[in-house]
Amino acid sequence: AQKVTQAQTEISVVEKEDVTLDCVYETRDTTYYLFWYKQPPSGELVFLIRRNSFDEQNEISGRYSWNFQKSTSSFNFTITASQVVDSAVYFCALSEFTDYKLSFGAGTTVTVRA
Amino acid sequence: DAGVIQSPRHEVTEMGQEVTLRCKPISGHDYLFWYRQTMMRGLELLIYFNNNVPIDDSGMPEDRFSAKMPNASFSTLKIQPSEPRDSAVYFCASSLAPGQGMTDTQYFGPGTRLTVL
Repeated sequence: AQKVTQAQTEISVVEKEDVTLDCVYETRDTTYYLFWYKQPPSGELVFLIRRNSFDEQNEISGRYSWNFQKSTSSFNFTITASQVVDSAVYFCALSEFTDYKLSFGAGTTVTVRA
Repeated sequence: DAGVIQSPRHEVTEMGQEVTLRCKPISGHDYLFWYRQTMMRGLELLIYFNNNVPIDDSGMPEDRFSAKMPNASFSTLKIQPSEPRDSAVYFCASSLAPGQGMTDTQYFGPGTRLTVL
């Protein structure tokens, strides 16, 4: 069963626009961890943010912010004032306390045009 | 601090040949993971180790794949014999134990792009 769903396949924006990436997850564990990773065209996987299931506080880190809502099992990610360097594939991932491996969504390709 | 190191970065081989991918985790990390990325299946876990012991190898596709971790600073993923459908990017990741806050985040190596002709 798909544990992480990223419904958006591709998003294209013009520089300086905000971009919000959707992520819906499924788990039976009460303790779990959610992540966003970025994969730029060079191919490496870069850790961006992480949220624990017991902490629903939403935060902002630079141009990144996230909205974690347990009630809807969603963990959305926003890039504010996008830049061309933000062009990449963004993956949402879930790790459960009883099953430590990362389950990734299919990824959302973000293209930021100058 | 050096990140996760993988070698080679690119590997091109012919069907039937043995392929060995190598990984050096971040020093002090006691979990090591091997993932594979393909267009069809996305990112999927193959196997992971805790303190050099394999914990879950349910993602290993078949007996042609094997992984070892002889010590805390080195792991190998071997494919023998290789087939064209094994062509993918193979990532190694490492982390500390879960439940330790930010420290159990998995950090990924640059990946090995494998092409089997």
